[in-house]
Amino acid sequence: DAGVIQSPRHEVTEMGQEVTLRCKPISGHNSLFWYRQTMMRGLELLIYFNNNVPIDDSGMPEDRFSAKMPNASFSTLKIQPSEPRDSAVYFCASRGGTGRFQPQHFGDGTRLSIL
Amino acid sequence: AQKVTQAQTEISVVEKEDVTLDCVYETRDTTYYLFWYKQPPSGELVFLIRRNSFDEQNEISGRYSWNFQKSTSSFNFTITASQVVDSAVYFCALSEGGDDKIIFGKGTRLHILP
Repeated sequence: DAGVIQSPRHEVTEMGQEVTLRCKPISGHNSLFWYRQTMMRGLELLIYFNNNVPIDDSGMPEDRFSAKMPNASFSTLKIQPSEPRDSAVYFCASRGGTGRFQPQHFGDGTRLSIL
Repeated sequence: AQKVTQAQTEISVVEKEDVTLDCVYETRDTTYYLFWYKQPPSGELVFLIRRNSFDEQNEISGRYSWNFQKSTSSFNFTITASQVVDSAVYFCALSEGGDDKIIFGKGTRLHILP
């Protein structure tokens, strides 16, 4: 079975550039989560969607960050303009079933470096 | 407010030793869910186990076992006869019954030395 698929695996770009991270959740899962992981702050939830609708974006650090989920099989996280402090590993996770007892399943992450 | 504390930042043990990773949680809900995830050096996050607040039964899966004690708000994870492949960062996490969000602890970095 295919797991959560994220692309790209690695992204290196210069500050000021637009960055788009992509995620394909597990088929049939109805919740999708975006996280950021850094050494200093650990794993932080940025935003999550239920049935393609954004539910809580309180973790999005600034207006430079935006996320969309146009359909059940695709989501993007965009940073525009990017800054060096955005360098981190970004994870996408999806969850299926009914109820919060179901675990989140994570993609392999995108390692983002902003120069 | 919910909170997960993994007091052990880093642990090193020699292969074949047993090791226990501690997790203490705080919540005001009577319904909540606990999880453990593993992050090996390759970086992915792997789900290991989940528990709901009404099920205090301990669980064993091969060399892994989990001890859930509501009286001490702990959900500890023990690896028996550790192996080098167990080297990873282990995260404990909590989700309250009325919330979709999972709160992760800071993680424990486990080194298994050959």
